[in-house]
Amino acid sequence: QSALTQPASVSGSPGQSITISCTGTSSDVGGYNLVSWYQQHPGKAPKLMIYDVNRRPSGISNRFSGSKSGNTASLTISGLQAEDEAEYYCASYAGSNTLVFGGGTQLSVL
Amino acid sequence: QVQLVQSGAEVKKPGSSVKVSCKASGDTFTSYAISWVRQAPGQGLEWMGGIIPIFGAPNYAQKFQGRLTINADASTRSVYMDLSSLRSEDAAVYYCAGHTGKEVYYGMDVWGQGTTVTVSS
Repeated sequence: QSALTQPASVSGSPGQSITISCTGTSSDVGGYNLVSWYQQHPGKAPKLMIYDVNRRPSGISNRFSGSKSGNTASLTISGLQAEDEAEYYCASYAGSNTLVFGGGTQLSVL
Repeated sequence: QVQLVQSGAEVKKPGSSVKVSCKASGDTFTSYAISWVRQAPGQGLEWMGGIIPIFGAPNYAQKFQGRLTINADASTRSVYMDLSSLRSEDAAVYYCAGHTGKEVYYGMDVWGQGTTVTVSS
């Protein structure tokens, strides 16, 4: 079970849109529509932002959206705001009741 | 809304074991899967394993097979994570997290506050 691949960092200006990719294999990301995304601010527990590739939990802004193509999932944040600056992690079901996380992406809002 | 409350920080010696508890509030304890996720200092999240309390059968990441035990006690609404043969690289914040359904492939929408485990001789 190797970690999913995410870019180490992305950045954008307030109001812009950014996309974070999450690349796995046909055994995880590509094999199931079961990718979730988590936001983590320093010193805090992670927060679920997207599940089942593109579904938002109650209370999560519609500025956050998810998609998937083949073995790569993506998180798009539109209308960037200062409070979006955080670390973002993807996670995918990997079969046999196991999960695998991505390495994380630091989002900077310039 | 379910809340997860973890036990306090631990300091352990290399080679020893650590047991962290995660107590759930509310009556739906057995209805949702619970996973353990750790985060070493300055590092990313790592899924360790999970359990569906109503069934009691845990699943582990291959990396922790043989060293990790996860179990649940419905009478105390608690899930336990026991990691043995500790080494310095096991120093991390350990989180329990509740999934939105009975399987670990559901998103984790409720998180404990985290338990810091320090491994030092």
